Amino acid sequence: GENVEQHPSTLSVQEGDSAVIKCTYSDSASNYFPWYKQELGKRPQLIIDIRSNVGEKKDQRIAVTLNKTAKHFSLHITETQPEDSAVYFCAAAAGGGRRALTFGSGTRLQVQP
Amino acid sequence: DTAVSQTPKYLVTQMGNDKSIKCEQNLGHDTMYWYKQDSKKFLKIMFSYNNKELIINETVPNRFSPKSPDKAHLNLHINSLELGDSAVYFCASSQARGTEKLFFGSGTQLSVL
Repeated sequence: GENVEQHPSTLSVQEGDSAVIKCTYSDSASNYFPWYKQELGKRPQLIIDIRSNVGEKKDQRIAVTLNKTAKHFSLHITETQPEDSAVYFCAAAAGGGRRALTFGSGTRLQVQP
Repeated sequence: DTAVSQTPKYLVTQMGNDKSIKCEQNLGHDTMYWYKQDSKKFLKIMFSYNNKELIINETVPNRFSPKSPDKAHLNLHINSLELGDSAVYFCASSQARGTEKLFFGSGTQLSVL
């Protein structure tokens, strides 16, 4: 099955700096790569996703890049704000419904004001 | 109007007891899931149902039994609760299997004493 590894486990940045979280996956059949944000005591919520037919996707201050050859993808948050503080999860899934999303272990991002 | 709702929000019980968690979605989605989030925040798939049919059952002890009376509901029954079952259990739904956005419920914090 799929195995998703995520780094770093914790990340502390100053407000206004950029944050980068990296993930690798093992199943070459995976073609869907979402990122979820989970605030303390809340449910995970999708913030951005990318499919294997594109290499980069951007939505305001967040962007995701995908390298299918190397089987890794990254989340980039620019101009970080205190409200970006949360746990971020990457995930991967293959089409056809063979498997549900497999999540990475999470990155706790702390944005210092 | 909550899209994915699960009850109860908190469940405190003794070892050996049997308990159930209920989940309902009003999004018209065909696929529903149960995820377990442990104390280290790791999110792991337990079950997935598509239109009332079990399609994914990930190495979960048979003390856990999901039931889907219709495609809008997916309940989780746990027999003979153990200390290691303590976790947050999230119900989720998606339009299609695997490669679509997950909508999570608010979670059920289960504490086994």
